[in-house]
Amino acid sequence: AQTVTQSQPEMSVQEAETVTLSCTYDTSENNYYLFWYKQPPSRQMILVIRQEAYKQQNATENRFSVNFQKAAKSFSLKISDSQLGDTAMYFCAFHNNNDMRFGAGTRLTVKP
Amino acid sequence: GAVVSQHPSRVICKSGTSVKIECRSLDFQATTMFWYRQFPKKSLMLMATSNEGSKATYEQGVEKDKFLINHASLTLSTLTVTSAHPEDSSFYICSASAPRNSPLHFGNGTRLTVT
Repeated sequence: AQTVTQSQPEMSVQEAETVTLSCTYDTSENNYYLFWYKQPPSRQMILVIRQEAYKQQNATENRFSVNFQKAAKSFSLKISDSQLGDTAMYFCAFHNNNDMRFGAGTRLTVKP
Repeated sequence: GAVVSQHPSRVICKSGTSVKIECRSLDFQATTMFWYRQFPKKSLMLMATSNEGSKATYEQGVEKDKFLINHASLTLSTLTVTSAHPEDSSFYICSASAPRNSPLHFGNGTRLTVT
């Protein structure tokens, strides 16, 4: 089974600054998808960004971008111009066919 | 956008009773649905994967006779916690996907409390 590792249990950043959340994964598959999900206190899972493994170009969504290193099996999330509303748990996820795995999560706090 | 409805959002039941949680995809056909359990301040733990019309695939350590999953149609999957015990108290979340490897759409979760 695939595994996803998030080595930063907690992180904090000043409002308007940039922060990077780490994620590594282990798989023998070649085709798969990677996601970052945000879970605010409401516990609703919100898709932040997705990356197809066959694409070399890093995905971007407004203030959110990823650094996808397929050979290193690394998939970090960069949040630019952090906002107070970004405070939440962030989960990295691996998806391949019928398998969906999540990392342990990183609790991000944006400080005013 | 795609919507997944999960019901109920909260349920309190007595020990020994059974509880059914529904997960519906409202505007797409969900070929695969996932059921997760989440402990406080922890990640989502995959319990089982269900494909429409076939038996669910359970993760190691998850009792299939205790957590009954039915995926009878492309828009509905149910999780039944049978003979619930206080240790089954948790937050349960379902998710659904349509085409393979598309993003999962999550329900809002169900907080189960067994007294």
